[in-house]
Amino acid sequence: RKEVEQDPGPFNVPEGATVAFNCTYSNSASQSFFWYRQDCRKEPKLLMSVYSSGNEDGRFTAQLNRASQYISLLIRDSKLSDSATYLCVVTLSGTYKYIFGTGTRLKVLA
Amino acid sequence: EAGVVQSPRYKIIEKKQPVAFWCNPISGHNTLYWYRQNLGQGPELLIRYENEEAVDDSQLPKDRFSAERLKGVDSTLKIQPAELGDSAVYLCASSLDGGQGIEQFFGPGTRLTVL
Repeated sequence: RKEVEQDPGPFNVPEGATVAFNCTYSNSASQSFFWYRQDCRKEPKLLMSVYSSGNEDGRFTAQLNRASQYISLLIRDSKLSDSATYLCVVTLSGTYKYIFGTGTRLKVLA
Repeated sequence: EAGVVQSPRYKIIEKKQPVAFWCNPISGHNTLYWYRQNLGQGPELLIRYENEEAVDDSQLPKDRFSAERLKGVDSTLKIQPAELGDSAVYLCASSLDGGQGIEQFFGPGTRLTVL
């Protein structure tokens, strides 16, 4: 089983739709969680950290479920510019090391 | 503020040839990382530096890959000789330090094609 698993997609959604991605992790000692965004042929960029209590940044909401070992990303009112690959990142307690998922590809359609 | 700089952006070589990639991290960032990203996959760590010290090179294929960060600033990753399976994007990242949960900033990457 992979340490971090994501549905590769693509998720094709119309503009204005709400879309959600999940990411499961296998190690219960995982400590820190992030969502990175990667545009085609570009570098990954931090979208948001994921906190235990959940957090929101504009149209984006991230949540952590430690009991079921997954994190989620919700995007409301999707824009064409949201089209990208969303990478889930997990670090283990006591380590710096980023473990990336394969990414979920989102296409927002006009 | 300048981001992480990498060169070249693209490189095409024949198998068995050597190749080198260069990275200049964000000024003041002590920790530098080299990742490899294969098509359709997330980045995988090859090596991590704290200043000039390689503190984790456990996933670096040492038979053909080498890296250095002599003055604790910029870094070079080398492959010699390259194999077909080395075709990938090589990403450099940096962070202020190697602390838990700290943001890593990525460069644009070098896209390597081995023919």
